Amino acid sequence: SQQGEEDPQALSIQEGENATMNCSYKTSINNLQWYRQNSGRGLVHLILIRSNEREKHSGRLRVTLDTSKKSSSLLITASRAADTASYFCATDAAGANSKLTFGKGITLSVRP
Amino acid sequence: EPEVTQTPSHQVTQMGQEVILRCVPISNHLYFYWYRQILGQKVEFLVSFYNNEISEKSEIFDDQFSVERPDGSNFTLKIRSTKLEDSAMYFCASSIRGLDYGYTFGSGTRLTVV
Repeated sequence: SQQGEEDPQALSIQEGENATMNCSYKTSINNLQWYRQNSGRGLVHLILIRSNEREKHSGRLRVTLDTSKKSSSLLITASRAADTASYFCATDAAGANSKLTFGKGITLSVRP
Repeated sequence: EPEVTQTPSHQVTQMGQEVILRCVPISNHLYFYWYRQILGQKVEFLVSFYNNEISEKSEIFDDQFSVERPDGSNFTLKIRSTKLEDSAMYFCASSIRGLDYGYTFGSGTRLTVV
């Protein structure tokens, strides 16, 4: 089974618009994290939301978590061209020792 | 800001050769990880390491793979006999407190097996 499936797979928006990316997962989790990856680079941790939290903010980022639906969304407000990147959600399954499972990622393009 | 440093950035090796990928995690982090990403595909977990031993490993991490923390700073991934399908970006990551905190990833080593 796939853990951490993002949608859409690709998103293209105009600078200044908001970008919403979704992630679904299958097993119970302890926390869910979002990462950004610029082309050819490593992953950068953006935000972590714990299973007992419903919403979290960090600057222009807003993350929600709905454990009943096993889904999360990442909202980037007032997008900038520099937000162009791939975005991944990653989950740690409850009971798992020590690994994150990543989704396939969403490619976000922000047009200037 | 502290970084995870990986060397080399790019390595080309012949099939069957041994490679060692090197990582210097953040100094006060206690948990260390290797992940890989085949071009255009998912980021896949390989192995986690804590307290000088492997905590968990994936099915990918077979007998051809090993990890070491030979001194207080370096964390290495060795592939004994590389195969074409080992070609990927290999990422090292570290975390101060494991899964409750975000990971800091290195920039990766692009391994090309020819």
